[in-house]
Amino acid sequence: GENVEQHPSTLSVQEGDSAVIKCTYSDSASNYFPWYKQELGKGPQLIIDIRSNVGEKKDQRIAVTLNKTAKHFSLHITETQPEDSAVYFCAASTVKAAGNKLTFGGGTRVLVKP
Amino acid sequence: NAGVTQTPKFRILKIGQSMTLQCTQDMNHNYMYWYRQDPGMGLKLIYYSVGAGITDKGEVPNGYNVSRSTTEDFPLRLELAAPSQTSVYFCASSYVAGGTEAFFGQGTRLTVV
Repeated sequence: GENVEQHPSTLSVQEGDSAVIKCTYSDSASNYFPWYKQELGKGPQLIIDIRSNVGEKKDQRIAVTLNKTAKHFSLHITETQPEDSAVYFCAASTVKAAGNKLTFGGGTRVLVKP
Repeated sequence: NAGVTQTPKFRILKIGQSMTLQCTQDMNHNYMYWYRQDPGMGLKLIYYSVGAGITDKGEVPNGYNVSRSTTEDFPLRLELAAPSQTSVYFCASSYVAGGTEAFFGQGTRLTVV
């Protein structure tokens, strides 16, 4: 089955700096890669996703890049703010598979220092 | 629109006890899932359902059971609780299969002592 590795496990950045989280996946059939943000005491919430036919996607201060050949994808947060402090999860799944069985990475705890 | 609602939020069980974690969604989603999140770890799929009356095992189903009698509800049953089941449990739902947003509940923190 699919295996998703995520690095780093913790990331501390100064407010205004950029943060980058990297994930690798093992199943070449995976073609949907969402990123979830989990705030303390809450469930994960989708912040951005990318499909395999796209190399990059941006949404304001957040961007995701995908390299299908190398089987890795990354989340980039620019101009970080204190409210970006949270745990971020990458995930991978195959669009054709029934049940949207997302395989999650281990998570990255991001701390933005004011 | 409440989204995905889980109850209870917290629970302490003794070894060998049983309980049911409740999950309901009001978005008319076909697909529902149960994940567990161990400290410092990602989410692992326990069971999922593609519609009322249909369930299937995920990555870590042992010690759990589910049922899906309606579109809205997807309860998770723990029989004979064990310390290894201490975790945070998340229910999620999505409209269609892979490639769409999954909406998560707020989680149930379960401790087995």
